[in-house]
Amino acid sequence: GAGVSQSPSNKVTEKGKDVELRCDPISGHTALYWYRQSLGQGLEFLIYFQGNSAPDKSGLPSDRFSAERTGGSVSTLTIQRTQQEDSAVYLCASSYRDRVGEQFFGPGTRLTVL
Amino acid sequence: EDQVTQSPEALRLQEGESSSLNCSYTVSGLRGLFWYRQDPGKGPEFLFTLYSAGEEKEKERLKATLTKKESFLHITAPKPEDSATYLCAASSGGSYIPTFGRGTSLIVHP
Repeated sequence: GAGVSQSPSNKVTEKGKDVELRCDPISGHTALYWYRQSLGQGLEFLIYFQGNSAPDKSGLPSDRFSAERTGGSVSTLTIQRTQQEDSAVYLCASSYRDRVGEQFFGPGTRLTVL
Repeated sequence: EDQVTQSPEALRLQEGESSSLNCSYTVSGLRGLFWYRQDPGKGPEFLFTLYSAGEEKEKERLKATLTKKESFLHITAPKPEDSATYLCAASSGGSYIPTFGRGTSLIVHP
């Protein structure tokens, strides 16, 4: 079966522009996570969706970051007015609700802000 | 606040030279301890879940063990294809969000 897919794989943008990153989770997985990974850093949690519940946004670094999940499936992470410090790999993962750590990750989107 | 610390940051081994990676954790009521493998340019790949002290899991040349304060990933007779970054994560009883360590970068030379 298909794994988690993300698009685009690479995104280069200019400072101040908005970007949208897409994640297609594994069918049947009700939990969806967004993480950010910078060089030499661990995975930084951004946001967590579970079914139709309100998302846990506690990891979003600023109000320039937002995410939505439509129909319990596809998710979009939006970064407004991008800054150079937003440059990183953005990873999406999905899992079954009760298998917190057994997450299936996508290949990531590498974002470069010039 | 949950914390996960991995050591060493980097490890170089010769093919066949067994070793262990360490993951120390501080969480309130461990829900699970997780190991992942990450290859360059790819997302992490799930390896193991450990739930309670004394538990062990094995997969090919890898064996994960768990105590009340730390977990070890033992690599027996590694091969060059075992080269990757190994990530450890832990979640506490009330959370669906695991805390990840920074990883150990393993290079196995032929």
